[in-house]
Amino acid sequence: GENVEQHPSTLSVQEGDSAVIKCTYSDSASNYFPWYKQELGKRPQLIIDIRSNVGEKKDQRIAVTLNKTAKHFSLHITETQPEDSAVYFCAASMRNAGNMLTFGGGTRLMVKP
Amino acid sequence: DVKVTQSSRYLVKRTGEKVFLECVQDMDHENMFWYRQDPGLGLRLIYFSYDVKMKEKGDIPEGYSVSREKKERFSLILESASTNQTSMYLCASRPGGSGNTIYFGEGSWLTVV
Repeated sequence: GENVEQHPSTLSVQEGDSAVIKCTYSDSASNYFPWYKQELGKRPQLIIDIRSNVGEKKDQRIAVTLNKTAKHFSLHITETQPEDSAVYFCAASMRNAGNMLTFGGGTRLMVKP
Repeated sequence: DVKVTQSSRYLVKRTGEKVFLECVQDMDHENMFWYRQDPGLGLRLIYFSYDVKMKEKGDIPEGYSVSREKKERFSLILESASTNQTSMYLCASRPGGSGNTIYFGEGSWLTVV
């Protein structure tokens, strides 16, 4: 099955700096890569996703890049703000695997004011 | 807005008790999932269901069972709760087809004493 590794497990940045979280996946058949943000005590919520036919996607201060050859994808947050502090999860999904998502271990991002 | 509702947010149960965690979604999604979330381990899939009365084991099904008698409802059952099942349990649903995002419930915090 699919295996998703996520790094780093914790990340501390100064407000205004950029943050990058990286994930690798094992199965080249994976074709959908969402990112979720989970604030303390709340449910994970989708913030951005990318499909395998696209190399990069942007939404305001967040962007995701995908390198299918290397089987890795990354989340980039620019101009970080204290409200970006949360746990972020990457995930990968294969078309023919019951549409199951396999999640990375999560990254706790702390943005210091 | 998709709504995934978990009926119990916080439970304390004794070792050996039978525990039911209920989840209801209101968007007619085919797929429903139960995840367990533990610090440093990310989101691990316990069971999922892609149709009424259908169920498939995830990565960590031992000690759990599920029931899906109606499309909107997916129940997680701990036949005999143990202390190592103390965790946060997240229900989720997802439409059929590939590349569709998953929607999470608020989570159920279970403590087994």
